[in-house]
This record gives sequence, C-alpha cells and structure tokens, in this order.
Amino acid sequence: GAVVSQHPSWVICKSGTSVKIECRSLDFQATTMFWYRQFPKQSLMLMATSNEGSKATYEQGVEKDKFLINHASLTLSTLTVTSAHPEDSSFYICSAWPTGQGYQPQHFGDGTRLSIL
Amino acid sequence: QKEVEQDPGPLSVPEGAIVSLNCTYSNSAFQYFMWYRQYSRKGPELLMYTYSSGNKEDGRFTAQVDKSSKYISLFIRDSQPSDSATYLCAMSWNNQGGKLIFGQGTELSVKP
Repeated sequence: GAVVSQHPSWVICKSGTSVKIECRSLDFQATTMFWYRQFPKQSLMLMATSNEGSKATYEQGVEKDKFLINHASLTLSTLTVTSAHPEDSSFYICSAWPTGQGYQPQHFGDGTRLSIL
Repeated sequence: QKEVEQDPGPLSVPEGAIVSLNCTYSNSAFQYFMWYRQYSRKGPELLMYTYSSGNKEDGRFTAQVDKSSKYISLFIRDSQPSDSATYLCAMSWNNQGGKLIFGQGTELSVKP
C-alpha cells in the first residue's frame, strides 16, 4: 500500500518550454502533497506545499509564477515548470501526506529528472 | 546550526556487518521520526516510522529514538549489497501541516 506515482520519470526539452509533472496517490487520499527539488548528493529541498482545493504555499525563494502547482483532487497534484531554462534542470520529487486520523508519514514518488537544453 | 544533523558519509562496510546510522536534532518539539532509503535516481522509500521515544524493529532494521539526548539511530543487521543507498532521517511535529525536516542523508555502500 501507500503508492505514489509520479510522471514523467524523465523529460528532456528545449529552453522556453513548459513542463508538467503529475503526482498521484494510488491507494490513499492526500489533502496535502509536497514538491521537492534535489541536487546531486544533497538532501531534499522543499519547494512548496500543495493543498487540495486551495492555493499552494511556497517556500522562501521559490518563484510561484515559475513553478505552478495545482491540486484539484485528493489524489492528484501537478507541478508545471513554466518557460523552463537550463538552470531549472534538476530532480523533482513529490510526496503525499495521507489524510486521516492520526499522524502518518509522507510517501514519495520516484521523482522526475528534468533536463533543459 | 541545522535543525537536524546527519553525517553524510560515505560509509563503506563489508557484507554482513552491522550498520549504525545516526541523526541529532535541536528542536525538542519533534515527535515523529522517520528513516527513508533512497536509491540513486529514485524517490525516498519509507523504512521506519517511530513516534516519540523508544525502539522499533522490522526485520533486519531497528530504529531507536532517545528524545532526552535528541538522538535517533537506525541499525541494519546482516547488511547486504542491496542495502547500498542513501539513508535520510526526517522529523516532524504536530500542527506543522505534515512538513518534514530532513537530515543531509548518509551514503552507505555494502561491499560483497
């Protein structure tokens, strides 16, 4: 149980293109999902918190107009990197926080490797 | 000072060794403690979850939390080459909307 599916796993595109990444919780509901960015040999850096039916909360220094987040249902959040440039190349990972009584740990997707040429 | 400190390694051990991974933290409000395993180019996978102080065992893995010392550990018995990965400790507390605070991750290599 507790499977999070993230697509695509790898995308290569030209500079100026917008890229959408999907994050789905397959066997549980998640009112809250998180988006992270990870650089090689570093820990996860939280970019934003995505709440179903409301605006996302962005961490300091993250451009909300560059990284658009939509959380339209209890099982799906999307991250769109708008007008991507080479400096946006990175490993993006989503996680889903199960909704329910009591604390449950976050479960992570397998990440999306984004390469901007 | 970071809220969560974790030795990044790398740590190299022979197959069959007992591995000890540790994190220290400064925020006494932390109540929930997780260990995640991350293989190269994959997302983190939840290994162990502990609430408050105490021990928890799952197969070859044992998680320990000592809140008085602000110290958590993950022990891996009979380590296997397939255990080679980066291990991340993570912590959270109530009323934080589920946010996790991560350690830097320890890179482990188990040599056959």
